[in-house]
This record gives sequence, structure tokens and C-alpha cells, in this order.
Amino acid sequence: AQSVTQLDSQVPVFEEAPVELRCNYSSSVSVYLFWYVQYPNQGLQLLLKYLSGSTLVKGINGFEAEFNKSQTSFHLRKPSVHISDTAEYFCAGYGTALIFGKGTTLSVSS
Amino acid sequence: SQTIHQWPATLVQPVGSPLSLECTVEGTSNPNLYWYRQAAGRGLQLLFYSVGIGQISSEVPQNLSASRPQDRQFILSSKKLLLSDSGFYLCAWSRAGVNTGELFFGEGSRLTVL
Repeated sequence: AQSVTQLDSQVPVFEEAPVELRCNYSSSVSVYLFWYVQYPNQGLQLLLKYLSGSTLVKGINGFEAEFNKSQTSFHLRKPSVHISDTAEYFCAGYGTALIFGKGTTLSVSS
Repeated sequence: SQTIHQWPATLVQPVGSPLSLECTVEGTSNPNLYWYRQAAGRGLQLLFYSVGIGQISSEVPQNLSASRPQDRQFILSSKKLLLSDSGFYLCAWSRAGVNTGELFFGEGSRLTVL
């Protein structure tokens, strides 16, 4: 079955600390992978995507993700977070349709 | 450039009342269109998708329905709302013929059923 699993439902961090949001996908999901960000009461905005090529993908707002085929992972990272990064983050993978993980709430405090 | 709009942004409806949420896309032709629901504390659930006018595929059986009367218009409806229909509804589009799964989302419509 196609699935995308976000391993942490909530990640609290302090401002300027590094952060990693973890995502694993099932092998039946194709290698088209995405991270979306959702700010409160807004739609989803594409953060970055992996379609092919370099396994390290850079996105907006200083985020990056690394596609790891052997571990079927697509973890999202940022070396130094800001208060404004507080949001819900969704990992998604494309099989016959776009499959979303359940989301990770990133809470950045000062 | 392409834009997507959905309305209303917020809606409070009594149980048993009808529902109509509308979504329109501008700047592209023959897009694939989607309705997702996001319930509190949950991920995104695909409700309907459409690859063309009058073509609707339902992913989850429920008391909701969708219609696509025009190429860039997608409507989510219900004849009688249930409490469980409360949630955040998101419309999205993707490029026709591009099977990468990349979606572009609207601003969302928050429905509260009382």
C-alpha cells in the first residue's frame, strides 16, 4: 500500500536551533516527493520538491531535504530556525495520487 | 501566472443545511482539480478529483458531492450537512498531463457545522 509517514507529530525547538522533520515513504510511492508548509488558517504552500537529479534539494525559507532511496526517507532540515517558521509541515509522495503524511507541527520559541 | 481562489473563506452552518464551496483557477487550461478535507489534528484527506468537465472521481463515500461545470471551476456541495463535515476544505490544481503530483492549493475554506 502507498503511504507516507511523518515520524513526529510535534517538534518544539528554540529559535536559531537546527531542526529536522522526518518523513519516510513506502516503496510503492514513486520518487516524486514534496514538502508543503501550512501557516494557521491558510492553504498549503510548496516548500520544496524532489523529482529527479541531485538528492539534496533546496527550497524556500532556507529549508532543504535529502532524498535517501535506500532508507526510503525524505527528511526536511533547516540549520537555524526562526519564530516565523512555526507552522504545520506536510510530507507528500506521488503514487497514483498525491499521498500526504499526517503532518508535523513545528513550534519555534524564543 | 496561475492563481486559485476558493470561497467562502469561513462558513458556519447548522446541521441539515446545504453547502456549496466554490473554487476557480485562472491562468491555465484543463487543470486537474482536487478537493481535500483537513479535520482538526489530522492530515489531508482527498475527497474528489477531476480531470475534465463533468468528470468527477470520489475517493471517500460520504454525503458530499462535487461538480465541475466549467473547465476551471470546481464546486463542493452537500444537501444536508452533518456535524462530522466540519473541517478545513482545500481546493487544489495540478497541470494536466504532468504526472509528478505537484499540487497548487487555494487559501482554504473553514466550515463549522453546529
